[in-house]
Amino acid sequence: DQQVKQNSPSLSVQEGRISILNCDYTNSMFDYFLWYKKYPAEGPTFLISISSIKDKNEDGRFTVFLNKSAKHLSLHIVPSQPGDSAVYFCAASDGQNFVFGPGTRLSVLP
Amino acid sequence: EAGVTQSPTHLIKTRGQQATLRCSPISGHTSVYWYQQALGLGLQFLLWYDEGEERNRGNFPPRFSGRQFPNYSSELNVNALELEDSALYLCASRRKWAAGDEDNYGYTFGSGTRLTVV
Repeated sequence: DQQVKQNSPSLSVQEGRISILNCDYTNSMFDYFLWYKKYPAEGPTFLISISSIKDKNEDGRFTVFLNKSAKHLSLHIVPSQPGDSAVYFCAASDGQNFVFGPGTRLSVLP
Repeated sequence: EAGVTQSPTHLIKTRGQQATLRCSPISGHTSVYWYQQALGLGLQFLLWYDEGEERNRGNFPPRFSGRQFPNYSSELNVNALELEDSALYLCASRRKWAAGDEDNYGYTFGSGTRLTVV
């Protein structure tokens, strides 16, 4: 049973437009959420995080929204750039254990 | 600050052999996590070591094992290799968790070891 789901395996967006990546979780014990970006043949790199006491966190072009009642979070990238093309993993933590989603491959088209 | 280092970067083994993968965490980090990323799949949790002890393991057979040394570096051993073990194996490290320390939640990944079983 997947505790963290990313139901869109891939997403294509035009350069300059907004990219929205979604993530759903099932375990109500999760209280911290992270997004990682991964290029081929490299390890994932940390992008942005949010704790359960917040509903929004911004860092430059990246914003993460958390809806605790719906157990849903999303990552918004605006404006999208070709260099953003990568696989994005959502992760959830209860403070000790981390669970990753299966990832969404984002392609930003010039 | 040196990042998480993994060795070797690539490893080719024959089915039935054993593979040993190594990970050196960031200085000061006491927790090491191992993940497997098979082609087209997400990150599958393998093992978590903290302060030299195994804290948790994912849904993998016992032929996947490891250990953490006193200097917090770690080894992942895969015995009786099977073709489907071919994957990218990622190691990540993290500081000791402290309640209320939000900066401590995230961890840092190495670049991985690409294991190919032929």
